[in-house]
Amino acid sequence: EIVMTQSPATLSVSPGERATLSCRASQSIGSNLAWYQQKPGQAPRLLFYGASTRATGIPARFSGSGSGTEFTLTISSLQSEDVAIYCCQQYNNWPPFTFGQGTKLEIK
Amino acid sequence: QLLLQESGPGLVKPSETLSLTCTVSGGSINSSNYYWGWIRQPPGKGLEWIGTIYYSGSTYYNPSLKSRVSISIDTSKNQFSLKLKSVTAADTAVYYCARHATPWFGEQVFDPWGQGTLVTVSS
Repeated sequence: EIVMTQSPATLSVSPGERATLSCRASQSIGSNLAWYQQKPGQAPRLLFYGASTRATGIPARFSGSGSGTEFTLTISSLQSEDVAIYCCQQYNNWPPFTFGQGTKLEIK
Repeated sequence: QLLLQESGPGLVKPSETLSLTCTVSGGSINSSNYYWGWIRQPPGKGLEWIGTIYYSGSTYYNPSLKSRVSISIDTSKNQFSLKLKSVTAADTAVYYCARHATPWFGEQVFDPWGQGTLVTVSS
């Protein structure tokens, strides 16, 4: 099973500043990584697939990068509506699909 | 617009079987391009994939739950269902259903998701 590890667990960023979230895979997964955004009381929403391809309707301030075992989600200018938990998922080798434990993004 | 909606009891007693159904609207579950999956999230914890089913009835399960899980599909009703037997308090979670593409059609990411349903295991 591929283990996905996210860091940090919690990130506090001032409005308008850059937020950088990390996801690491226990073995190479190529670019077969997705990012999801989960706001309180809501289902996860797909942000990226293929590590860097934005899903429909995702603002350009969000970007994804990385391949192999190291991946990054960047929000270039944090908005209040971006407060959420962000989670990565690998789909290179399943079953099982595996998710990271999530990074909670807060406004400073 | 494809919509998924989970339904089922919100409270299950320990040692009993948890049963949930996902109803798909706005599109057909009888598609060769997609799989249909169940994912859960215990309170305050991360997401855990439970299993996936294809329209033909082929299933794939998380090895950690395989001995207790069964997923079935009813294409005539555009629904698929989850059964998890011998539940304990550790199975308390929000349960989501979601769609993901087949490897030959697209990226195997979960989109869209149902709104989720909280199932509590307690006597």
